[in-house]
Amino acid sequence: EVQLVESGGALVQPGGSLRLSCAVSGVPSSDTWLGWVRQAPGKGLEWVANIKSDGSEKNYVDSVKGRFTISRDNANDSVYLQMKSLRVEDTALYYCTRGWGNDWWGQGTLVTVSS
Amino acid sequence: DIVMTQSPDSLAVSLGERATINCKSSQSLFSSSNNKNFLTWFQQKPGQPPKALFYWASTRGSGVPDRFSGSGSGTDFTLTISSLQAEDVALYYCQQYYSIPTFGQGTKVEIK
Repeated sequence: EVQLVESGGALVQPGGSLRLSCAVSGVPSSDTWLGWVRQAPGKGLEWVANIKSDGSEKNYVDSVKGRFTISRDNANDSVYLQMKSLRVEDTALYYCTRGWGNDWWGQGTLVTVSS
Repeated sequence: DIVMTQSPDSLAVSLGERATINCKSSQSLFSSSNNKNFLTWFQQKPGQPPKALFYWASTRGSGVPDRFSGSGSGTDFTLTISSLQAEDVALYYCQQYYSIPTFGQGTKVEIK
């Protein structure tokens, strides 16, 4: 069974940085896209970023371009989201997803940006 | 970006009755390369991540009860629950993956 387990969420001050990690198990992840989707408290789903199987292509939602960087380590079946210059509006539960269509989801890791 | 618009935002349906959720995209999600529509329906229950109900607009996901059905093509899609059960209370989202993925705003389904 496919499992995605996120970690790294925390309380951070505006302007701060954070790195999220996601470990994928149960199926090789090196042959598909991996990504991140977030959900602010009480709000809907917002796609954030994704990365191609070999890391050669990365996409970002406009609101995080220049501040967030997605990367992956296929040897360790992991994907990461480096976040900097964090804003209050980045507060959300961040889900790791597998596949271009976000077929599989982790349980999420909570990022809170607050002073 | 492709904009996804769901209707209604919420609906209350009696147990055993039909629930219908609509999803409209700002451009066609149909690809002639594979004759499929790049649309997924998700169900999200409180405290849980979204679960995919239908891929390619109408391909049922693993373990999804057959009271759920997905239909539509091009820009207009529908998720139908033929006989609402208590465990179907949830938020439902459509998502296009024809291009960079985008989600509808969600539809809350409750019991009347």
